[in-house]
Amino acid sequence: AAGVIQSPRHLIKEKRETATLKCYPIPRHDTVYWYQQGPGQDPQFLISFYEKMQSDKGSIPDRFSAQQFSDYHSELNMSSLELGDSALYFCASSSNRGNTEAFFGQGTRLTVV
Amino acid sequence: GESVGLHLPTLSVQEGDNSIINCAYSNSASDYFIWYKQESGKGPQFIIDIRSNMDKRQGQRVTVLLNKTVKHLSLQIAATQPGDSAVYFCAENPPWRGGADGLTFGKGTHLIIQP
Repeated sequence: AAGVIQSPRHLIKEKRETATLKCYPIPRHDTVYWYQQGPGQDPQFLISFYEKMQSDKGSIPDRFSAQQFSDYHSELNMSSLELGDSALYFCASSSNRGNTEAFFGQGTRLTVV
Repeated sequence: GESVGLHLPTLSVQEGDNSIINCAYSNSASDYFIWYKQESGKGPQFIIDIRSNMDKRQGQRVTVLLNKTVKHLSLQIAATQPGDSAVYFCAENPPWRGGADGLTFGKGTHLIIQP
């Protein structure tokens, strides 16, 4: 069965650079969630989208922005990268915003040097 | 602030034994709880969920128990197998958030299965 696809899997950036992470949800899923997981930490909710509109917002820095496109894929844009942004970034999708079961992707490991 | 926390960071059990992973939550308004399993290098995988109007829910080899009086959640895994080795997170949501929006994750328990 198709799963949530994230790209790239690994990314190395320098401080103050920008990065774009992509998420392709499971087919027919219309809700996307972004989470950040620091080393040895629990996942922290960043932001979510339902039907291409932002539905909820968590601890996402102002330097980050995200959007969901007409094909339901989502992109997380990160600017002025800081060393502390180094983390695993997970995307999850569900079939509608009220659906409790969200499926997570494999994550993008971002390293800022 | 309020958070979801786990009592033990590491739990070691013998293969074939039952394991119990505990979770304490402090947001009394939370009405939805999920257990996730995260294997090394992978994203969290949904195991089982429970709403606050229930105190027990069973899945395949797993049972979640919810005690709202003491704000305690547990995950029981029957007849543990080597493939159960992973970090287990509990997560919670208050009623004003929909579905899997803005889940608050606990700190994780590393379950180690010994042969």
